[in-house]
Amino acid sequence: DTAVSQTPKYLVTQMGNDKSIKCEQNLGHDTMYWYKQDSKKFLKIMFSYNNKELIINETVPNRFSPKSPDKAHLNLHINSLELGDSAVYFCASSRWGLAGDLNTGELFFGEGSRLTVL
Amino acid sequence: AQKVTQAQTEISVVEKEDVTLDCVYETRDTTYYLFWYKQPPSGELVFLIRRNSFDEQNEISGRYSWNFQKSTSSFNFTITASQVVDSAVYFCALGTSGTYKYIFGTGTRLKVLA
Repeated sequence: DTAVSQTPKYLVTQMGNDKSIKCEQNLGHDTMYWYKQDSKKFLKIMFSYNNKELIINETVPNRFSPKSPDKAHLNLHINSLELGDSAVYFCASSRWGLAGDLNTGELFFGEGSRLTVL
Repeated sequence: AQKVTQAQTEISVVEKEDVTLDCVYETRDTTYYLFWYKQPPSGELVFLIRRNSFDEQNEISGRYSWNFQKSTSSFNFTITASQVVDSAVYFCALGTSGTYKYIFGTGTRLKVLA
């Protein structure tokens, strides 16, 4: 059973289109993230939700809209796709419990979704 | 502010050499977590290790070892007797409970030549 799963793995689309990437985790974690990895391999945090509430929004264009219907799901919708949106998008989930909780701070990634905008 | 610096952009070694990947971090939080991930050419992010700020013990796992030193804010990663399969991009990351944020370094590309 995959801990963090993203779909689709590959997405090729034309400029101006709208697309979505879905993410699900079965770890019981309370926090989920979207990261963008560009062609230079830089991993940048985009958004984070904790218990369905948006807690991190890192100056991402409004064309990007995350949605978390429940703790186990975090989707990313992108409107009016641009060439510069081509990247690999990684979903991740983590657990932030008490400092003594052995599992607190753990971070697991999905396999990534490679988006190519033509 | 949080910051992770991996000053080595790319390292090339010959198989069986030892190699150390450097990671320096900055944070004002007293509770934080440090990670290393491996990203092979296939693209997935493979978790290697997580350490919390209260545990400065060094760790060894097979050919991999990690040296965590709070005094120098460093969390270095050594591969002993490197192999071609170790060729990948390696990321160091810092997570802080105060911000719920994980920040990644820019990665070090390791090339192990046969």
